[in-house]
Amino acid sequence: NAGVMQNPRHLVRRRGQEARLRCSPMKGHSHVYWYRQLPEEGLKFMVYLQKENIIDESGMPKERFSAEFPKEGPSILRIQQVVRGDSAAYFCASSPPTGGSSYNEQFFGPGTRLTVL
Amino acid sequence: DAKTTQPTSMDCAEGRAANLPCNHSTISGNEYVYWYRQIHSQGPQYIIHGLKNNETNEMASLIITEDRKSSTLILPHATLRDTAVYYCIVRVVSGGSNYKLTFGKGTLLTVNP
Repeated sequence: NAGVMQNPRHLVRRRGQEARLRCSPMKGHSHVYWYRQLPEEGLKFMVYLQKENIIDESGMPKERFSAEFPKEGPSILRIQQVVRGDSAAYFCASSPPTGGSSYNEQFFGPGTRLTVL
Repeated sequence: DAKTTQPTSMDCAEGRAANLPCNHSTISGNEYVYWYRQIHSQGPQYIIHGLKNNETNEMASLIITEDRKSSTLILPHATLRDTAVYYCIVRVVSGGSNYKLTFGKGTLLTVNP
């Protein structure tokens, strides 16, 4: 069973361009989470998605950032008009469906390192 | 979620036990203690978690004090590949926004040959 896959692993963009980060969850996992890690800091929660639904986007910047998890295909984190401060490692995690309100372990992907020139 | 305090860095000799402490004095009764690690340039990896009893798995042991205000992660025979940042996280397991993992700065464990 392949783990969480993210691509690209490294992404370079110039200021003002768009960045699209993809995350394919583990097989059978329908919950996806995105985290951002700025240099020298710990990971910060951004957004939690289930298939076709955004459950919690409280950690997303109010502008330029959006996320989706369509019925088919990977989850996408989209950053429009990137700025230098967006340079960071972006990690995706996935978990299986929950049977109620209990927590399921999150499995992390290798991350996408975004560099904005 | 309760906040945690960890030393910034620690060293350990290869083959020796690595004992990583974590203080979580404001932990609530329904909060678990979780440990993750992040090897350089990789995503975080789950290690172990516990509520109040000591736990052991193939990777590590977790010792939680009786008052649950602190815990220690033990890697019994550290190898060079255990060099990583170790994160101690306390969180409720059910209800609310329990899915949010809050990572602090963790402890950089360096295993030396």
